[in-house]
Amino acid sequence: QVQLQESGPGLVKASETLSLTCTVSGGSISSYYWSWIRQPPGKGLEWIGYVYYSGNTNYNPSLQSRVTISADTSKNQFSLKLSSVTAADTAVYYCARSTYGGPFDVWGQGTMVTVSS
Amino acid sequence: DIQMTQSPSSLSASVGDRVTITCRASQSISSYLNWYQQKPGKAPKLLIYAASSLQSGVPSRFSGSASGTDFTLTISSLQPEDIATYYCQQSYITPITFGQGTRLEIK
Repeated sequence: QVQLQESGPGLVKASETLSLTCTVSGGSISSYYWSWIRQPPGKGLEWIGYVYYSGNTNYNPSLQSRVTISADTSKNQFSLKLSSVTAADTAVYYCARSTYGGPFDVWGQGTMVTVSS
Repeated sequence: DIQMTQSPSSLSASVGDRVTITCRASQSISSYLNWYQQKPGKAPKLLIYAASSLQSGVPSRFSGSASGTDFTLTISSLQPEDIATYYCQQSYITPITFGQGTRLEIK
């Protein structure tokens, strides 16, 4: 079955760019929407944005000015870049799969990213 | 943005109890409502999609229903392994939004 695995630095300095990659195994990245979702410690879930395998993107307006999500079909991966990070960006970051208008049916295990001053 | 409001925020119940969690959308989302279960240190797990469809492999004691902009997740007979936080999520329109979560504890 399809599995997702997040990877990237667990510690990022304030004002720098957070970069994460999600590797898709057991299936193709094609024909699905691939999202990033985050969860600050002890808090709820926030959708960051998605990329369609073709490259089309949609971002949460609350983060749009700082977010870039891209897909690499040759590597079966998609990536998140979040610029100018602050302590408020400290969270567990999840990657997840959905269809258009559908639920997130496959999730990565999540990766904790801490922003240090 | 569509606001998703869950109630209660926390809930304590006994094994075998019928448990109900409610989620209200700030505007119509048709049936684009999904429910997730999250255990500590784990990723959320899809339970119910499209308001009332049971995800494959999820026990049948979980069910979902809808009435207008009000949605309900029901656990017919609470089991110890159901202790978790539950989230609703609308997939009707972006930005995709989640409810604030309902923490379920055993009494």
